[in-house]
Amino acid sequence: EDKVVQSPLSLVVHEGDTVTLNCSYEVTNFRSLLWYKQEKKAPTFLFMLTSSGIEKKSGRLSSILDKKELFSILNITATQTGDSAIYLCAVFHVQGAQKLVFGQGTRLTINP
Amino acid sequence: DVKVTQSSRYLVKRTGEKVFLECVQDMDHENMFWYRQDPGLGLRLIYFSYDVKMKEKGDIPEGYSVSREKKERFSLILESASTNQTSMYLCASSFGGTYSGANVLTFGAGSRLTVL
Repeated sequence: EDKVVQSPLSLVVHEGDTVTLNCSYEVTNFRSLLWYKQEKKAPTFLFMLTSSGIEKKSGRLSSILDKKELFSILNITATQTGDSAIYLCAVFHVQGAQKLVFGQGTRLTINP
Repeated sequence: DVKVTQSSRYLVKRTGEKVFLECVQDMDHENMFWYRQDPGLGLRLIYFSYDVKMKEKGDIPEGYSVSREKKERFSLILESASTNQTSMYLCASSFGGTYSGANVLTFGAGSRLTVL
């Protein structure tokens, strides 16, 4: 069965800390891995990773994919209260139809 | 600004009622999806559509149906709502195809449904 597992499910840190969110997957015919940020509205797209070992970076956020070990990490440095959100990991794969499978999400809370 | 618009942010319905959740996208996307989101379970795919009048079952289609009469509109229907369908429902769309980025989903803001 295809699955995407995120850890931790919940994380509370202080402003300024660095956090690492994890996403492991087991799917057939992997194509890409996506990260989304969800505040109290629509999830918004952060990164898409298709190649192993290449870091995607946007400001304080960065992500890397390990296709051999089947996982990805999302790193946030110098966290701010505005980083508080649910972070969703999803894997795009092909099994008959093309499908996106989501993990459970990590709820990140940044305290001032 | 491109958009996926869900018609209702909050709904409260009674058990047995028929419920329509509407979703419209203005990006000329081929693919549209309905997910439900529950704490600890993440997003689970209910139905999706790759073309007008076409639909495919996702992972949890039981108790739901969909309609896609026009390219921009994808409706989720609960024929007879039950309490276990209380959830957040998210609509999404994508261009589709095989090029990189074709399957990045754009989401609507969600419809929180409570069934009493």
